[in-house]
Amino acid sequence: DIVLTQSPLSLPVTLGQPASISCRSSQGLVHSDGNTYLNWFQQRPGQSPRRLIYKVSIRESGVPDRFSGSGSGTDFTLKISRVEAEDVGVYYCMQGTRLYNFGQGTKLEIK
Amino acid sequence: EVQLVESGGGLVHPGGSLRLSCTASGFTFNIYYMHWVRQVPGKGLVWVARISPDGSSAIYAESVKGRLTISRDNNKNTLYLQMNSLRADDTAVYYCARPLYGGFDSWGQGTLVTVSS
Repeated sequence: DIVLTQSPLSLPVTLGQPASISCRSSQGLVHSDGNTYLNWFQQRPGQSPRRLIYKVSIRESGVPDRFSGSGSGTDFTLKISRVEAEDVGVYYCMQGTRLYNFGQGTKLEIK
Repeated sequence: EVQLVESGGGLVHPGGSLRLSCTASGFTFNIYYMHWVRQVPGKGLVWVARISPDGSSAIYAESVKGRLTISRDNNKNTLYLQMNSLRADDTAVYYCARPLYGGFDSWGQGTLVTVSS
């Protein structure tokens, strides 16, 4: 089984400041079709998850461009260039290369 | 607009059964794999099961194999999760999700299953 390890698990951020979340995979995530199926989700309090990023770095339609994804192989990062109040919630990475696994989640709060 | 609406959750005793439903609209249901994902309140997301577009094949997380069964009725645009031999650690919000590009682009609002005596 692939294990995804996120860090940090708690992320206090000042409004307007950047934030970064790491997701490390226990195995490489390149699929046999050449794609890397690494996703990032945001879950606001009381809401269902919402996908922000797929295939490492492609933003979903409607996602603000302050969110960006990067990485390759086993190391991936979600960055928020300037945190806004609406970004509060839990962020999860998820791989869909070999079955499906989620990271433990990173709780972003405003300092 | 894609919509997924789950129903069927509730309180059930340990060892009991429950069937969850997820009604889909706004897309061509019968060409998509479909998934169930669950979340213990206050905890993380866990993938549960996937079913093929025609319903002929399914795969499950190890923790639910033999107890939970995913199925679908394409005539009714509905996904199901039959839950048998329920345990306290099955208590969770259950989401149905539509896959796209190796992840899930649409989620329902979830339905809460509580297993307790």
